[in-house]
Amino acid sequence: RKEVEQDPGPFNVPEGATVAFNCTYSNSASQSFFWYRQDCRKEPKLLMSVYSSGNEDGRFTAQLNRASQYISLLIRDSKLSDSATYLCVVNKGANNLFFGTGTRLTVIP
Amino acid sequence: EAGVAQSPRYKIIEKRQSVAFWCNPISGHATLYWYQQILGQGPKLLIQFQNNGVVDDSQLPKDRFSAERLKGVDSTLKIQPAKLEDSAVYLCASSPSGPGEQYFGPGTRLTVT
Repeated sequence: RKEVEQDPGPFNVPEGATVAFNCTYSNSASQSFFWYRQDCRKEPKLLMSVYSSGNEDGRFTAQLNRASQYISLLIRDSKLSDSATYLCVVNKGANNLFFGTGTRLTVIP
Repeated sequence: EAGVAQSPRYKIIEKRQSVAFWCNPISGHATLYWYQQILGQGPKLLIQFQNNGVVDDSQLPKDRFSAERLKGVDSTLKIQPAKLEDSAVYLCASSPSGPGEQYFGPGTRLTVT
């Protein structure tokens, strides 16, 4: 079983739509969680950390469910500039990150 | 603040040839990582250094891949001999000590023909 699993998509949504991505992880001892964003032919960049209580950053909301071992990312009021691949990332400790395959989002005008 | 630097940006080699990639992390970052990202997949950790010591190289194909981090700063990743399946983007990342954000370089896109 993979450490981190994501639906690869693609998700094609109109501007202004709300879209949600889920990700599951296999190791219950995983310590911290992140969403990274990767634009086409660019390097990954941290979008946001995911806290146990859930956290919000503008139009982006991240949630963690330790009991079910999944992480979610919600994007409200999608913009064209949100088009990218969103990578779910799990830290098993010692800053050893496991990346999912990514979910591709395309926001359509 | 300067970011993570990598070179070359692109490399095309024939199978069985050798290749080396270079990475200069963000100044003061103790931890350095090399990842392999195959098209359509997420980055896969190859090796993690803490200063100049190896923390994790469990996914490094040691029969052909090697890496070093001299003096705990710059790092090189070498493939010898290359195989077709090594075609990928090789990403270097660095982070301060402790868990948290990793900062990625632009990557080296390797094509093995």
